[in-house]
Amino acid sequence: KAGVTQTPRYLIKTRGQQVTLSCSPISGHRSVSWYQQTPGQGLQFLFEYFSETQRNKGNFPGRFSGRQFSNSRSEMNVSTLELGDSALYLCASRRVLGYGYTFGSGTRLTVV
Amino acid sequence: KQEVTQIPAALSVPEGENLVLNCSFTDSAIYNLQWFRQDPGKGLTSLLLIQSSQREQTSGRLNASLDKSSGRSTLYIAASQPGDSATYLCAATRPAANAGGTSYGKLTFGQGTILTVHP
Repeated sequence: KAGVTQTPRYLIKTRGQQVTLSCSPISGHRSVSWYQQTPGQGLQFLFEYFSETQRNKGNFPGRFSGRQFSNSRSEMNVSTLELGDSALYLCASRRVLGYGYTFGSGTRLTVV
Repeated sequence: KQEVTQIPAALSVPEGENLVLNCSFTDSAIYNLQWFRQDPGKGLTSLLLIQSSQREQTSGRLNASLDKSSGRSTLYIAASQPGDSATYLCAATRPAANAGGTSYGKLTFGQGTILTVHP
């Protein structure tokens, strides 16, 4: 059974650029959430998508956006990158509320 | 606003010891609580999920308990091994109802406990 797949694993971008990260959930999982992990702030919730609609959003600026496709795959976009956006971005999927989350291996984004 | 705290921040023990990791949360209106393990530079691996109606869950050498009334959860690791060395994170899921009445949740994480088990 395939797990949650995130691509790419590593990214190096220049300040001011934009980036798109991809997440393929476990088959049958309709909810996809995104989290940012940094040494200083720990794990912080970005947003959750269910049935192609954003259902919940964390306290991040509008530069962070996402979307979910009909096959439940999700993408996260960060525009006008800042040095502080350097982090491990983790995607998690679950069936519905009440089930546990399964995380992917993450995308390590470095902004230089 | 839910806040999750983990104690201790770091723990170093000799192989074979039994140990307890602590997690506390401020808002008892949680849907469930999940324990994860994270190896350096890796994603999160789910260890145990405890629903709000449950008191504990067990998997192999791991046992997690939940006391909603006191806002606490503990992860007990029996007969620790060097391979258990990792960061352990607890996370509480709190429902967030949207305008349509359907509940969606998000995980609120603690800062983690860094566990080192030395031979």
